[in-house]
Amino acid sequence: NAGVMQNPRHLVRRRGQEARLRCSPMKGHSHVYWYRQLPEEGLKFMVYLQKENIIDESGMPKERFSAEFPKEGPSILRIQQVVRGDSAAYFCASSPRGHEQYFGPGTRLTVT
Amino acid sequence: AQSVTQLDSQVPVFEEAPVELRCNYSSSVSVYLFWYVQYPNQGLQLLLKYLSGSTLVESINGFEAEFNKSQTSFHLRKPSVHISDTAEYFCAVSSGGGADGLTFGKGTHLIIQP
Repeated sequence: NAGVMQNPRHLVRRRGQEARLRCSPMKGHSHVYWYRQLPEEGLKFMVYLQKENIIDESGMPKERFSAEFPKEGPSILRIQQVVRGDSAAYFCASSPRGHEQYFGPGTRLTVT
Repeated sequence: AQSVTQLDSQVPVFEEAPVELRCNYSSSVSVYLFWYVQYPNQGLQLLLKYLSGSTLVESINGFEAEFNKSQTSFHLRKPSVHISDTAEYFCAVSSGGGADGLTFGKGTHLIIQP
């Protein structure tokens, strides 16, 4: 059973460009979570999705950030008009029914 | 609102010595508790979890943690550490039935000295 997959693993964007981060949950998992890890900080929850629904986006910045989990295909975290402060590691986690979450390897975003 | 405090940002320990990484949480509702381990440039791996039942939970590689409701703690322990245990350890809590996003502590860097 393959684990949570994220791509790309590393992403470099110039200020003002768009970043798209993809997450494929583990087989059979219908809950997806996104987290951001800034240097010297722990992980911060961003958004919780189930298929075609955003359940909780209380941790998402109000502007430029969006997430989706379509009926078919991976979950996407989209950051528009990136700024240097968006540089971080972004982790996706999946869960079969809530409770324990299994994390992917992360996407390290660098904004130049 | 819930929060997690990991009191030690860094814990140096000699190889084969015991270690305890401290974790305290605050929450007004029932909680589920987790320890994750992160090796350099990797994602987080679930180390162990408390959902219900026995307050002492164990992992396959010798770690254990005890849920103490009265002290709102979930400290992680290992009786004898190895070089390979060098990593960042994160304590996390969820509530609301367990399906919501996790709240993490800031992490403890465990450094094993030969």
